[in-house]
Amino acid sequence: EDQVTQSPEALRLQEGESSSLNCSYTVSGLRGLFWYRQDPGKGPEFLFTLYSAGEEKEKERLKATLTKKESFLHITAPKPEDSATYLCAVRRGGYQKVTFGIGTKLQVIP
Amino acid sequence: NAGVTQTPKFQVLKTGQSMTLQCAQDMNHNSMYWYRQDPGMGLRLIYYSASEGTTDKGEVPNGYNVSRLNKREFSLRLESAAPSQTSVYFCASSEAPLAGGTDTQYFGPGTRLTVL
Repeated sequence: EDQVTQSPEALRLQEGESSSLNCSYTVSGLRGLFWYRQDPGKGPEFLFTLYSAGEEKEKERLKATLTKKESFLHITAPKPEDSATYLCAVRRGGYQKVTFGIGTKLQVIP
Repeated sequence: NAGVTQTPKFQVLKTGQSMTLQCAQDMNHNSMYWYRQDPGMGLRLIYYSASEGTTDKGEVPNGYNVSRLNKREFSLRLESAAPSQTSVYFCASSEAPLAGGTDTQYFGPGTRLTVL
């Protein structure tokens, strides 16, 4: 059974204080690891897809990296508008379905 | 483009009542999905449709039915609502993960359902 574990469950940062969110996964034949951002009362918003170990993608203050067992979402010099819940998900090769983690709730304080 | 739209945004039902949640996408995607999101549980797949004319069960299908009306629309029906179905429901769509298309799922804004 595919599993996704995100840590920490919640993270509180001062504005400008860089940090990383972790997504550990167990899946046979990874065919995609996804990061989403979810604001309160809204649907998940797509951020990144990573396909192979060593791959990295960046968008503004966010950088996602992938190893064979985990992915990190690095947040550099965060701003209050980066406050949200960040979700990680994985897809197994040959399967349509995606398994989501519970998420990390990030709060950035001015 | 509106992306993925869902109606209604909010709904309150009494136990035993039925209702249909509507979802439509304008991205010409082949695959569509229904999830529920509960505190501490994450997103769980209820049903999905890999392509027009096909539907398959996900992780938590009991108490739900779906209809892929056409390529754009995918509805979720609760025949006899129960308090355990109180949740936030999200619809999503993607190109065609098993046919070489990109597998990124794009989500709608959600329907907040309360069953009393």
